[in-house]
Amino acid sequence: SQQGEEDPQALSIQEGENATMNCSYKTSINNLQWYRQNSGRGLVHLILIRSNEREKHSGRLRVTLDTSKKSSSLLITASRAADTASYFCATRLVGANNLFFGTGTRLTVIP
Amino acid sequence: NAGVMQNPRHLVRRRGQEARLRCSPMKGHSHVYWYRQLPEEGLKFMVYLQKENIIDESGMPKERFSAEFPKEGPSILRIQQVVRGDSAAYFCASSPTGLENTEAFFGQGTRLTVV
Repeated sequence: SQQGEEDPQALSIQEGENATMNCSYKTSINNLQWYRQNSGRGLVHLILIRSNEREKHSGRLRVTLDTSKKSSSLLITASRAADTASYFCATRLVGANNLFFGTGTRLTVIP
Repeated sequence: NAGVMQNPRHLVRRRGQEARLRCSPMKGHSHVYWYRQLPEEGLKFMVYLQKENIIDESGMPKERFSAEFPKEGPSILRIQQVVRGDSAAYFCASSPTGLENTEAFFGQGTRLTVV
């Protein structure tokens, strides 16, 4: 499979703690994107990181990309109950027309 | 600027009927993607279209499924003679250009239930 694989599959933390999710992929990418999905809803784009970038920040979100290891991580700092959702990484492969999604990490933030 | 609009949000069909799912991309977006999501799983790519053209349908089942994006009007994903296994959430996404440098904007999805 060319999909990203997220790790862990599920994560439960206390409000205020940091949450780290990892994504691994198999082939060369053009960019990697992280999305969030609340239960029963559509996906919301969080961050896009290009293959020549190593780190990006957006508010409480920090994404890293290591192309040598074919992996990325999403860090959510100072988590809130409202962060409870599923988080997906999606890779845009070189020469591909679409995004390949992983199976997601289900994050639960306990108030 | 309205987001990606999908309708209906929920669709129930009996086995053997046809399902038509509609997607209106964001204004100014000419690239449309359809994905399918089974419960507790990630999204699986189905088809990528630009106006009046199917660019990549490598994820579409060979039979019963078709998609179009006409010059005027929404993109349509059509499933003929639905079976129970077609029950899933179908998401449409759009982008202003290809995905090299931009994200995809997703609709809220159509949840198809085949009874």
